Amino acid sequence: EAGVAQSPRYKIIEKRQSVAFWCNPISGHATLYWYQQILGQGPKLLIQFQNNGVVDDSQLPKDRFSAERLKGVDSTLKIQPAKLEDSAVYLCASSLGRDWRGETQYFGPGTRLLVL
Amino acid sequence: DQQVKQNSPSLSVQEGRISILNCDYTNSMFDYFLWYKKYPAEGPTFLISISSIKDKNEDGRFTVFLNKSAKHLSLHIVPSQPGDSAVYFCAASDTGANSKLTFGKGITLSVRP
Repeated sequence: EAGVAQSPRYKIIEKRQSVAFWCNPISGHATLYWYQQILGQGPKLLIQFQNNGVVDDSQLPKDRFSAERLKGVDSTLKIQPAKLEDSAVYLCASSLGRDWRGETQYFGPGTRLLVL
Repeated sequence: DQQVKQNSPSLSVQEGRISILNCDYTNSMFDYFLWYKKYPAEGPTFLISISSIKDKNEDGRFTVFLNKSAKHLSLHIVPSQPGDSAVYFCAASDTGANSKLTFGKGITLSVRP
């Protein structure tokens, strides 16, 4: 079974530029998550989708971050404009989405972003 | 405000000995707890979980203990192997709300041959 795919793996941009990340979850997984992991910290949830609807985006900086999951499959996360503090690893995860209680989330390898 | 705390940033143990990784939480609504393992340049991978209705869950060399009154859980690895060297994240969820995970900062485990 193929895992969660993410691209690109690495990205270097200058502040105020825009950047987009792509995620393809495990086939059949209804729930998709985007996490931000800053160096030395644990992953922090940015947004959670159930199919193509948003379940939780309370920690998404909506003035600069946006995400979509058209057709309820793959997803893109965009930052526009980027700030220095956005340097982090952006992790995508997916789960079956049938039972809130104790579903395992499967993570992709992440996209490492460096903002100069 | 850190709701899941892993206060020790690193742990070094000898191969064959026991590794004990600790985690504390503050949110009394958390009722499901997980441990994830992460190697460099890879995403976290699920290791083991425990529901708040249990106080112990075992899977091979890995055992998780939950002390609800102390809001504390620990991961025991016996015996430790060099391949266990990784960053271990404790995560918690309030399953009455949604499946959102709150992670700790992680502990770097080094198992010496």
